[in-house]
Amino acid sequence: RKEVEQDPGPFNVPEGATVAFNCTYSNSASQSFFWYRQDCRKEPKLLMSVYSSGNEDGRFTAQLNRASQYISLLIRDSKLSDSATYLCVVRHSGGYQKVTFGTGTKLQVIP
Amino acid sequence: DVKVTQSSRYLVKRTGEKVFLECVQDMDHENMFWYRQDPGLGLRLIYFSYDVKMKEKGDIPEGYSVSREKKERFSLILESASTNQTSMYLCASGRELVGEQYFGPGTRLTVT
Repeated sequence: RKEVEQDPGPFNVPEGATVAFNCTYSNSASQSFFWYRQDCRKEPKLLMSVYSSGNEDGRFTAQLNRASQYISLLIRDSKLSDSATYLCVVRHSGGYQKVTFGTGTKLQVIP
Repeated sequence: DVKVTQSSRYLVKRTGEKVFLECVQDMDHENMFWYRQDPGLGLRLIYFSYDVKMKEKGDIPEGYSVSREKKERFSLILESASTNQTSMYLCASGRELVGEQYFGPGTRLTVT
């Protein structure tokens, strides 16, 4: 089983739609969780951290479910500019800042 | 704003050549990382460094080495490039004990 698994998509959604991505992780001792965004032919950039109680940043909501070992990202009122690949990232317990990236979920927002 | 720069955006090398990829960050971060990114495989960690002259192997260190002589600079070395090392190479930096990482623009390396 992969350490971090994501549905690769693509998710094709119309502008204004709500879309949700899930990501599962295998290490129950994982400590920190993040969503990154990667535009085509660009480097990944941090979108948001995921906190235990869930957190929101504008149209984006992140949730963590430790019991089921998954995190989710919800995007409301999708914009064309949201088209990108969304990477789920998990930081492991112990050691240094080593993290594992998921392979990403591709989102295409259609006019 | 954090800035991570990489020495080249595109590089073409021949099989057997020694290749140096350099990365510089300007935010005094303790940790630096080298990843490669391939379609369908995502980002895979090659090496990371948590301090000057310190290094740790990542998930795929074979065929690579690294050097960190100064805090702001982390170099990836391919001692003898092979065609299966054709990839996008991404450098990142981050603070100790914090999971956020900041990436450079990447170097697309082609080995022919």
